[in-house]
Amino acid sequence: GQNIDQPTEMTATEGAIVQINCTYQTSGFNGLFWYQQHAGEAPTFLSYNVLDGLEEKGRFSSFLSRSKGYSYLLLKELQMKDSASYLCAFANQAGTALIFGKGTTLSVSS
Amino acid sequence: KAGVTQTPRYLIKTRGQQVTLSCSPISGHRSVSWYQQTPGQGLQFLFEYFSETQRNKGNFPGRFSGRQFSNSRSEMNVSTLELGDSALYLCASSLGPGHSYEQYFGPGTRLTVT
Repeated sequence: GQNIDQPTEMTATEGAIVQINCTYQTSGFNGLFWYQQHAGEAPTFLSYNVLDGLEEKGRFSSFLSRSKGYSYLLLKELQMKDSASYLCAFANQAGTALIFGKGTTLSVSS
Repeated sequence: KAGVTQTPRYLIKTRGQQVTLSCSPISGHRSVSWYQQTPGQGLQFLFEYFSETQRNKGNFPGRFSGRQFSNSRSEMNVSTLELGDSALYLCASSLGPGHSYEQYFGPGTRLTVT
């Protein structure tokens, strides 16, 4: 079957670094996505990993290990505006669906 | 370039009624996916359309249906509404096969069933 898991909540302080982990199980895989969703808004795309390794994009980095079914999103130099829900999702084999985790709510305090 | 648009943004219906939601994808995008988001279950995949064909369907009852038009606009319909159908319904568009699977989400339709 298909399964994807991530922590429900995390807290951190401004300027810190936080790592949000995601584990998944699926028989068909076509990439791992991270989305950010602020309360009351639509999810917005953050990153996409299809090969193993680290992808860096400004303050955000995403890592994938396909053999371990594991990904993480690394947020550096945290800002208050980073308080949001972070959604991990994998694309199915055909690329016709994204299967999402329930999201990790990150609260950044000063 | 205009983003994904969804109408209406808010809707209140009573049990037993039916509802139709509309989604216009980003210009040039031919794939449209629909998701249901609830606090308890998170974002759940409903179905995906490409070139007017449903290519994939999530684990939802037959009361949930959809279609896509030749201009890539899509509608989803929910018949015989239940209280549990209250949710945010999100539409996402992407270029389609041969391109990145990155999806762009619309603002959603907030459906409340009373």
